[in-house]
Amino acid sequence: NAGVTQTPKFQVLKTGQSMTLQCAQDMNHEYMSWYRQDPGMGLRLIHYSVGAGITDQGEVPNGYNVSRSTTEDFPLRLLSAAPSQTSVYFCASARGNEQFFGPGTRLTVL
Amino acid sequence: AQSVAQPEDQVNVAEGNPLTVKCTYSVSGNPYLFWYVQYPNRGLQFLLKYITGDNLVKGSYGFEAEFNKSQTSFHLKKPSALVSDSALYFCAVRAARSNDYKLSFGAGTTVTVRA
Repeated sequence: NAGVTQTPKFQVLKTGQSMTLQCAQDMNHEYMSWYRQDPGMGLRLIHYSVGAGITDQGEVPNGYNVSRSTTEDFPLRLLSAAPSQTSVYFCASARGNEQFFGPGTRLTVL
Repeated sequence: AQSVAQPEDQVNVAEGNPLTVKCTYSVSGNPYLFWYVQYPNRGLQFLLKYITGDNLVKGSYGFEAEFNKSQTSFHLKKPSALVSDSALYFCAVRAARSNDYKLSFGAGTTVTVRA
């Protein structure tokens, strides 16, 4: 049981490049979400999903796309990276009262 | 809308002294409340949660938190701090609805415990 896994751990992009942050969980959780962490701002919800085929926007969705084709995977796509998207990204899954976080992806956009 | 306030950016204490990290929240209806800790360059670790029942919640590593509904607070406490408790602490809230898992986090409080 690996829990919530994220790849890559680190990534450097140039402005305008695209990339996908991967997130997977093996706990059969219906709910998954993406947060970004910035100094002095805590974690802010980007997008979330309550099940395969269902996604919705969180607090800061602009510049990010998501899809949920399977229960296990919830990738986050940056279509055209901007320096403002430099951050640490956390994926999470939840069931009941428990929320489980992945180890994070540190993204730098130059 | 739901929100969390952690009024102190930093808390500094001496080892062996009591540690308190403050948290107040706003949510529609009853809250589920959580504390997480983050060590440098690491992910979030769950410390404890309040769901229902006893207002005093005990968690990992000797931490506890007290839920106060009238003051909408959920302060984190440890009777005797250790240098190893130095980390970034986050309080989080969600509405106590079975189909709403969205968490709102505070900005975080950096705890430094000096030897």
